[in-house]
Amino acid sequence: DQQVKQNSPSLSVQEGRISILNCDYTNSMFDYFLWYKKYPAEGPTFLISISSIKDKNEDGRFTVFLNKSAKHLSLHIVPSQPGDSAVYFCAASARETSGSRLTFGEGTQLTVNP
Amino acid sequence: GAVVSQHPSWVICKSGTSVKIECRSLDFQATTMFWYRQFPKQSLMLMATSNEGSKATYEQGVEKDKFLINHASLTLSTLTVTSAHPEDSSFYICSAWTAVIGYTFGSGTRLTVV
Repeated sequence: DQQVKQNSPSLSVQEGRISILNCDYTNSMFDYFLWYKKYPAEGPTFLISISSIKDKNEDGRFTVFLNKSAKHLSLHIVPSQPGDSAVYFCAASARETSGSRLTFGEGTQLTVNP
Repeated sequence: GAVVSQHPSWVICKSGTSVKIECRSLDFQATTMFWYRQFPKQSLMLMATSNEGSKATYEQGVEKDKFLINHASLTLSTLTVTSAHPEDSSFYICSAWTAVIGYTFGSGTRLTVV
């Protein structure tokens, strides 16, 4: 049962344009969501998070949007840079019921072309 | 910032031998340590959760006698893969969690069993 899904295994964008990475979840108990960037053979690097009490959180070039009714979140990167090329994972936790354990999506490979 | 040191970064072992992976939180005390494994082009799958001084909680389908987790102190957690087989070849990642810092991931260990 994949509770967090990233349906796009890959995304390719031009440098300077917007990258939009999507994530859907099924567990209505999830109340905290995170996005991570990962390179091969390395651990994930935290990018941005959002609590379920918000619908938007922004940090520099990164913005995360949360649509609770649709159980959908997205990560916007603008402007995209070649250095953003990596695998992006969304993750969720249900802090009230499951404490701090995270459930990850399958990841989306982002390629930013110069 | 918070750092989790994970060693070794890669290891090759013979089938039937055991391998120990260490994760140390260098400048903070980790309340909880999570252990994940990742197969190529797949998600990070939670294997177990450990709290200092208590037995680890394993996810469904993870053999606790095969993947021994020790969390003897607030700064050190180890994962031992016992009697390793080629199907145990994977990328293993630890993640330390505290309420103040949140999640800090190690850099991962690439295990190859030959």
